Amino acid sequence: GAVVSQHPSWVICKSGTSVKIECRSLDFQATTMFWYRQFPKQSLMLMATSNEGSKATYEQGVEKDKFLINHASLTLSTLTVTSAHPEDSSFYICSARALGQEVSPLHFGNGTRLTVT
Amino acid sequence: GQNIDQPTEMTATEGAIVQINCTYQTSGFNGLFWYQQHAGEAPTFLSYNVLDGLEEKGRFSSFLSRSKGYSYLLLKELQMKDSASYLCAAADSNYQLIWGAGTKLIIKP
Repeated sequence: GAVVSQHPSWVICKSGTSVKIECRSLDFQATTMFWYRQFPKQSLMLMATSNEGSKATYEQGVEKDKFLINHASLTLSTLTVTSAHPEDSSFYICSARALGQEVSPLHFGNGTRLTVT
Repeated sequence: GQNIDQPTEMTATEGAIVQINCTYQTSGFNGLFWYQQHAGEAPTFLSYNVLDGLEEKGRFSSFLSRSKGYSYLLLKELQMKDSASYLCAAADSNYQLIWGAGTKLIIKP
């Protein structure tokens, strides 16, 4: 089955630093990738949708200059949390979809637990 | 606007049956997904319905009524490992997933 690998699984960083999270599709070409954030005991919140080779589309209220998304290839998307603050501490999850698979299940990465101290 | 409603929390007994309901309102409709999410983990796919009716897959079944904007996930012969959050998500006309807040299912021995 389709596999999405997300790295790192967890990261602790100091306030003011930047953190990069990678999302890779291992056995299919992910034309679209989605980045979610999930706070404790809450549901998934879509942050942005990225299509390979184009700029990401951010959801309302998500700062594009703070959460930099790059989808430079069909198998890799990255999310960089810039100048992280404690309120950015959350569970970040990516998911990927292949072209023409709009009604197929999303393939999720295992998530990244970010803690900003 | 687009909206998904599902109960926040449910409790059931090991070996029993539980039904988790989900109602949705979307701009267009391209199917209804159910995902299971254990604490601290990413969601895993359970089922997809786009036509009315019941889809059975082992201990789990999912039902859809498009005219009522309603779906349910039925879990039979509950096991302790079924304790998790269950997320309902509807695909709108642009195939964008609209997520519910999730139902936390607690299984008691």
